[in-house]
Amino acid sequence: QITLKESGPTLVKPTQTLTLTCTFSGFSLSTSGVGVGWIRQPPGKALEWLALIYWDDDKRYSPSLKSRLTITKDTSKNQVVLTMTNMDPVDTATYYCAHRPAGTPAVLFDYWGQGTLVTVSS
Amino acid sequence: EIVMTQSPATLSVSPGERATLSCRASQSVSSNLAWYQQKPGQAPRLLIYGASTRATGIPARFSGSGSGTEFTLTISSLQSEDFAVYYCQQYNNWPITFGQGTRLEIK
Repeated sequence: QITLKESGPTLVKPTQTLTLTCTFSGFSLSTSGVGVGWIRQPPGKALEWLALIYWDDDKRYSPSLKSRLTITKDTSKNQVVLTMTNMDPVDTATYYCAHRPAGTPAVLFDYWGQGTLVTVSS
Repeated sequence: EIVMTQSPATLSVSPGERATLSCRASQSVSSNLAWYQQKPGQAPRLLIYGASTRATGIPARFSGSGSGTEFTLTISSLQSEDFAVYYCQQYNNWPITFGQGTRLEIK
């Protein structure tokens, strides 16, 4: 059974750096084809893809946020970490991590964490 | 970046009736399109991928069609648990992008 859970601060101040951790079970990020992505959703708004890391450490970022994002993995701990610098109130959102399945070239997400709401405010 | 446009923004349908949701891509995404369902306070749930393939455990009343730039999600006979927000997502090109969602509400 695949599960993912996001953790990190619920409140950050403008200009600070956000660090979120996705801890997962039921799969290994060393398995060929597997990936973990981050997607966010401002309150009442649509989903926005942020970043994705593959089993082979290939990384993809949203071009509009690339300069602010870093995604890393710790295979031994079954964790993926996303950092976002220079946070702004418009970055207030629920942040989800999600599993990208192996065995397909498709970049879609079949298991999601519950999400964590991050508020940016002074 | 490929822009995904969903219509309508809100769709009001009675239980037991058919619902048809649309998604349009700003350029061809072939069949590289997925649909997700999101209920209040929950994470999205994968429904359809490859434009028409149901994900594991998804009831047969959900069906997807289309290719290129025009896609449709059809729910054949609405159940109470189907009232939610639906998002399309293209994965043909980087960056992957989502539509703005269609809210399916009870009429």
